[in-house]
Amino acid sequence: DGGITQSPKYLFRKEGQNVTLSCEQNLNHDAMYWYRQDPGQGLRLIYYSQIVNDFQKGDIAEGYSVSREKKESFPLTVTSAQKNPTAFYLCASKQGLGTEAFFGQGTRLTVV
Amino acid sequence: AQKVTQAQTEISVVEKEDVTLDCVYETRDTTYYLFWYKQPPSGELVFLIRRNSFDEQNEISGRYSWNFQKSTSSFNFTITASQVVDSAVYFCALTPLPIIQGAQKLVFGQGTRLTINP
Repeated sequence: DGGITQSPKYLFRKEGQNVTLSCEQNLNHDAMYWYRQDPGQGLRLIYYSQIVNDFQKGDIAEGYSVSREKKESFPLTVTSAQKNPTAFYLCASKQGLGTEAFFGQGTRLTVV
Repeated sequence: AQKVTQAQTEISVVEKEDVTLDCVYETRDTTYYLFWYKQPPSGELVFLIRRNSFDEQNEISGRYSWNFQKSTSSFNFTITASQVVDSAVYFCALTPLPIIQGAQKLVFGQGTRLTINP
């Protein structure tokens, strides 16, 4: 079945370590997105990408990095520069103008 | 810049009551789309409805209905005869159409946690 796969579902990181969250889609969508969800703050946009090898910063890009080397993959790296990385991270993809986005099941990152 | 505001952080009602979730948006774009998503406890967002800025016709889908009013920049969502299964977090979102070819930014509100009590 077509969809978006995020892995792992739960991730624990020690302070000072970088960690990469995986997002893969087999929907042949051009656009992909990363969001962070914290209680009471909704979904905040980290990075988004319209095409391969191109991406834009969202509203809270500091401390994060992404790459888009393949159309189906959009990994997010949470660097040690991100001061408060514990959150629920959601990846999404869409195709075309004004269409709805499809979401993965999310990765819950906890810094220990 | 675009902004979506869902002022109701949490709503709790008894089953079978009607409930309306408010959404107010801000954008300078003349062409844009509005969305509602549902997030059940599993975490994955589920798409409910899309509306473009030129279509102010209200829509009804079963127990769900949506009221889009461009004059007040609002896109409210009503659940009629609510059920326990409607309990979830609901998000309103906005995406402007880019003037030039490029990535479409998708902006979400803070979400409203809806609890339907038996």
